[in-house]
Amino acid sequence: DGGITQSPKYLFRKEGQNVTLSCEQNLNHDAMYWYRQDPGQGLRLIYYSQIVNDFQKGDIAEGYSVSREKKESFPLTVTSAQKNPTAFYLCASSQRPSYNEQFFGPGTRLTVL
Amino acid sequence: AQTVTQSQPEMSVQEAETVTLSCTYDTSESDYYLFWYKQPPSRQMILVIRQEAYKQQNATENRFSVNFQKAAKSFSLKISDSQLGDAAMYFCALRGAYKYIFGTGTRLKVLA
Repeated sequence: DGGITQSPKYLFRKEGQNVTLSCEQNLNHDAMYWYRQDPGQGLRLIYYSQIVNDFQKGDIAEGYSVSREKKESFPLTVTSAQKNPTAFYLCASSQRPSYNEQFFGPGTRLTVL
Repeated sequence: AQTVTQSQPEMSVQEAETVTLSCTYDTSESDYYLFWYKQPPSRQMILVIRQEAYKQQNATENRFSVNFQKAAKSFSLKISDSQLGDAAMYFCALRGAYKYIFGTGTRLKVLA
């Protein structure tokens, strides 16, 4: 079955450590996205990529980094520079050029202790 | 700048009744799409319904329908014959050029 995989579902890290969240899709989609979800704030865009080896900052990119070396993979690194990293992170993908809808992964809950 | 506003943080509906969730948006683009997504307690985002801005006809998917008022920039979701499984967070979203903008969500409670 085609879909988006995010791992792990729950992640715990100590303050000051970098952590990488995995996102893999087998939908053959060109575009991939990372969102952060906090209570009462909806989904906020961190980074997005429309094509391999290219990505753009979203609205809240500070303290995060990404790479897009393969079409199916778009890992997100939460660095120690992110002031408040505890949140729920969602990865999504969509198909160019219509971008009719986004398909979402199950999410990763990151808790920084 | 594009914005999406959901002014109802929480709504309740009696099982089998009808409820309408509100959404307003702002965009300067002429070509855009609007979506309603459902996020149940599992937190998996599920597409409920989609509306192309160039289409005047309101989209319908079984018990879900929208009231798309382009001039007023309004995009409300109507859920008919509400079921317990409809209880979830509902997000309105706008797709402009390459990016999707989400509202803050409305939590829908369904009362048995």
